[in-house]
Amino acid sequence: NAGVTQTPKFRILKIGQSMTLQCAQDMNHNYMYWYRQDPGMGLKLIYYSVGAGITDKGEVPNGYNVSRSTTEDFPLRLELAAPSQTSVYFCASSYTSGSSEQYFGPGTRLTVT
Amino acid sequence: AQSVTQPDIHITVSEGASLELRCNYSYGATPYLFWYVQSPGQGLQLLLKYFSGDTLVQGIKGFEAEFKRSQSSFNLRKPSVHWSDAAEYFCAVVPLSGGYNKLIFGAGTRLAVHP
Repeated sequence: NAGVTQTPKFRILKIGQSMTLQCAQDMNHNYMYWYRQDPGMGLKLIYYSVGAGITDKGEVPNGYNVSRSTTEDFPLRLELAAPSQTSVYFCASSYTSGSSEQYFGPGTRLTVT
Repeated sequence: AQSVTQPDIHITVSEGASLELRCNYSYGATPYLFWYVQSPGQGLQLLLKYFSGDTLVQGIKGFEAEFKRSQSSFNLRKPSVHWSDAAEYFCAVVPLSGGYNKLIFGAGTRLAVHP
């Protein structure tokens, strides 16, 4: 049982490039989330999904896209990378919403230069 | 404005000393309350949570938290800190509006432990 896995661990992008951050969970959780963590700012919710085919915006969705074609996978797409997207990105999952514990992946450190 | 506030950015304690990390929230109705811990280079792990009932909540790793409605607070405590407790601690809430889907984090408190 691997829990929540994220790839890659580190990535450097040039301004204007695009990339996809991968996230997978093997706990059969319905809910999945993407957060970004900036120094001194805590975690901010980018997008979340309540099940395959259903996604919704969080606090800071601009510049990102998501899809959820399967229960297991929840990729995050960055289009036209900007320096403001330099951050650590965490994927998480939970069995249900709200009161459920969220399980976090190890994170992806992204630098845009 | 709705918010979660952790007033202390950094705290340093000696090993064996007691610890209290502060958290205040500003929401119309008491939200679901959580404490998460992030060890260096790791993802977050849930320490404990409060929804209702007994205002003193026990968690993992010897941590507890007390909910005080009158102060809109949910402070985290540990009677005796171990060196392995050095980490960043996040208070978080799920507001009771908006579908219960959004976990809102405070800015975090970084704990250092002196031997």
